Amino acid sequence: DIQMTQSPSTLSASVGDRVTITCRASQSISSWLAWYQQKPGKAPKLLIYKASSLESGVPSRFSGSGSGTEFTLTISSLQPDDFATYYCQQYNSYFSWTFGQGTKVEIK
Amino acid sequence: QITLKESGPTLVKPTQTLTLTCTFSGFSLSTSGVGVGWIRQPPGKALEWLALIYWDDDKRYSPSLKSRLTITKDTSKNQVVLTMTNMDPVDTATYYCAHSSNYYDSSFDYWGQGTLVTVSS
Repeated sequence: DIQMTQSPSTLSASVGDRVTITCRASQSISSWLAWYQQKPGKAPKLLIYKASSLESGVPSRFSGSGSGTEFTLTISSLQPDDFATYYCQQYNSYFSWTFGQGTKVEIK
Repeated sequence: QITLKESGPTLVKPTQTLTLTCTFSGFSLSTSGVGVGWIRQPPGKALEWLALIYWDDDKRYSPSLKSRLTITKDTSKNQVVLTMTNMDPVDTATYYCAHSSNYYDSSFDYWGQGTLVTVSS
């Protein structure tokens, strides 16, 4: 199985900060990586797919990068609505899908 | 507009079989490339992918749960059904179904609201 490791587990930041979350895969997944945002009591929301493609309707302050085994999600200027938990997910039709353990972005 | 909604029991007893139904609208599961998956989330914990079925009836299962899971589709009813056998209290979670629009780029772009299933005697 492909394992996904996110860091940090928790992140404290202020409005306006640049925030970066890292996701590492236990083996190469090319660019088959997605990022989701989840707020308490709500379903996850797709932000980024194929490592760096912005889902329609998602603000441009969100961006993704990376390939192979190391990926990052960056929020260029943290907004009040961005305080949430973020998950990476690897996906590929030849393997099983795996989520990272999540990164909670808290108010500093 | 794509929507998905999960339905099924809120409480099951240990050793019982759980059957969940995902009823969707706004897309067809006979369209090439489309898939519907199931994901769960225990209270306060991370997301866990369970299973996915594609338009062509190709099925994928989590290796750790494969022996307990069955996913099927009824295209005419716009439904996907997940069964999980031998339920245990550790299977208590919110269960989500989600849409994937592309066989090779199988991220989940639309999600249901989720349904909480509690396993307890």
